[in-house]
Amino acid sequence: NAGVTQTPKFRILKIGQSMTLQCTQDMNHNYMYWYRQDPGMGLKLIYYSVGAGITDKGEVPNGYNVSRSTTEDFPLRLELAAPSQTSVYFCASSYGAVILNTEAFFGQGTRLTVV
Amino acid sequence: QKEVEQNSGPLSVPEGAIASLNCTYSDRGSQSFFWYRQYSGKSPELIMFIYSNGDKEDGRFTAQLNKASQYVSLLIRDSQPSDSATYLCAVYRDDKIIFGKGTRLHILP
Repeated sequence: NAGVTQTPKFRILKIGQSMTLQCTQDMNHNYMYWYRQDPGMGLKLIYYSVGAGITDKGEVPNGYNVSRSTTEDFPLRLELAAPSQTSVYFCASSYGAVILNTEAFFGQGTRLTVV
Repeated sequence: QKEVEQNSGPLSVPEGAIASLNCTYSDRGSQSFFWYRQYSGKSPELIMFIYSNGDKEDGRFTAQLNKASQYVSLLIRDSQPSDSATYLCAVYRDDKIIFGKGTRLHILP
């Protein structure tokens, strides 16, 4: 059972380049989340999705885009990368509002550096 | 006011003592509350969740929730060096899971 899988694990981007961070889960979770974590800080919510075809902005959505065409996949797109987007990115999934134990299961993270 | 607030620490606790971690939240619509542990360079992992007022115990861990005071805490009894990590408080509301900045805990051997 793979859980939540993120690719790549590491990436270096040049300023102005674009890339897609991939996230897939095999737990049939409806809810999926993207977070970023800067050094010494907590997780900030970028975007989230409550099901296929539905996405919404979180706390820090600027500079990012997402799509949710299937239940399993929730890619995060960075357009025109900036140094401020250097961070560790975590994807997570959960059952959502079905039960109160809406625990989020996390992928292993993607460490992104923009130079 | 941040939605989820934690003291960033570091909190230093002698081995074998009780570690007490605190968290406050601002939105009374918050439904569920979580404590995650995160080791350096790793993903967060769930330690406890709670959604009813009162205490919830699981092994050496006890979560306490006071919705009137909008306060969540985590007690770690018989602290071990392996408990040294960052502890993240999180709340679930309106389909979102919002995290605090985390408290760094250091268990002194």
